Amino acid sequence: RKEVEQDPGPFNVPEGATVAFNCTYSNSASQSFFWYRQDCRKEPKLLMSVYSSGNEDGRFTAQLNRASQYISLLIRDSKLSDSATYLCVVTSPPGVDSWGKLQFGAGTQVVVTP
Amino acid sequence: DAGVIQSPRHEVTEMGQEVTLRCKPISGHDYLFWYRQTMMRGLELLIYFNNNVPIDDSGMPEDRFSAKMPNASFSTLKIQPSEPRDSAVYFCASSLISQGQGEMPFGSGTRLTVV
Repeated sequence: RKEVEQDPGPFNVPEGATVAFNCTYSNSASQSFFWYRQDCRKEPKLLMSVYSSGNEDGRFTAQLNRASQYISLLIRDSKLSDSATYLCVVTSPPGVDSWGKLQFGAGTQVVVTP
Repeated sequence: DAGVIQSPRHEVTEMGQEVTLRCKPISGHDYLFWYRQTMMRGLELLIYFNNNVPIDDSGMPEDRFSAKMPNASFSTLKIQPSEPRDSAVYFCASSLISQGQGEMPFGSGTRLTVV
């Protein structure tokens, strides 16, 4: 079983609509959670951190459910420019030889259509 | 700040040849990471350094891969000999622990094609 799993999509979303998707993680001791965004043929970039209490950044809302071991990302009022692959990132617990490695999911593709 | 700089952007080489990928981290960052991305396997961590010292190379696929960081501003990932299955995008990223573990700027990547 992969440590971080995501629905690859694509999620086809009409412009202005809301889209939400989840990411599950297997290590209950994981400490930190993030969403990265990757545009086609570009490098991944940090979108937002995910806090236990949930957090918003403009049209984006991230949630963490530790009991069920998943995080979610919701995008409201989708824009064409939101089309990208969204990578779920989970940090491993720090250890003797591990700083807290970032484990990346394979990504969920979102396509916003006019 | 110029960000993480990788070179070359694209590399096409013949099977059996040696390939060297280069990375310049953001000045002052004390962690450097090498990732590989393919459609099949997604983004995989190959190796990372802290203060120029390799910390975890468990992701390096085999002995054909080696990485060095001779100083704080330069790292290389070498594949010798290269094989077609090494074709992928190789990303370098750097970070400063005090910034938080998730903030890790990536370079633009090197797209490697081995024919």
